[in-house]
Amino acid sequence: EVQLLESGGDLVQPGGSLRLSCVTSGFTFSDFRMGWVRQAPGKGLEWVANIDRDGSGTFYVGSLRGRFSISRDNAKDSLYLQMNSLRAEDAALYYCVMINSDFAPFESWGQGTLVTVSS
Amino acid sequence: DIQMTQSPSAMSASVGDRVTITCRASQDISNYLAWFQQKPGKVPKRLIYGASNLQSGVPSRFSGSGSGTEFTLTISSLQPEDFATYYCLQHNGHPTWTFGPGTKVEIK
Repeated sequence: EVQLLESGGDLVQPGGSLRLSCVTSGFTFSDFRMGWVRQAPGKGLEWVANIDRDGSGTFYVGSLRGRFSISRDNAKDSLYLQMNSLRAEDAALYYCVMINSDFAPFESWGQGTLVTVSS
Repeated sequence: DIQMTQSPSAMSASVGDRVTITCRASQDISNYLAWFQQKPGKVPKRLIYGASNLQSGVPSRFSGSGSGTEFTLTISSLQPEDFATYYCLQHNGHPTWTFGPGTKVEIK
């Protein structure tokens, strides 16, 4: 069974940084592209970033490029999201998602980790 | 970047109603379109992929159609457990993907 377990969400001040982690199990992590999706309180889903199987390719929603960085450690079956210069509008539930295939992505989701940005 | 719109943004319907939700892309995305259902406080669940392929385990009352720029999600006979928010996702754009803004289906 595919399992995605996020952690690292916290209360952080505006301008601060945070690193989210997603530990995976139940599948061969290095065989799959992965991504992050976020959802602000009471709002819709927003695709954040994807990363290729070996980490060589990373892709971001335009508004976050330069502040957020997606990475992975295939030896640890783990996905990461480094978030810098955090703003109030970055407050959201961040989901780790599995790109099961390029034709059929996001079948598997984690439960999410909550990021709050406030002074 | 490819923009996605959904209509309606919200709707009221009764159990047994046929419900149709439309998703439009700002440019041709072929059939790289998925539909998700999200209930309050829950993780989104994929219903449809490839515009018209039903996810395993999803009831057959759900169906998807379309290609290019216009897509529909149809619920043939709305059930009490179907009241939720529905999102489309385009994943043809490179390098960016986009969710639609969502359609909330409420009980009439």
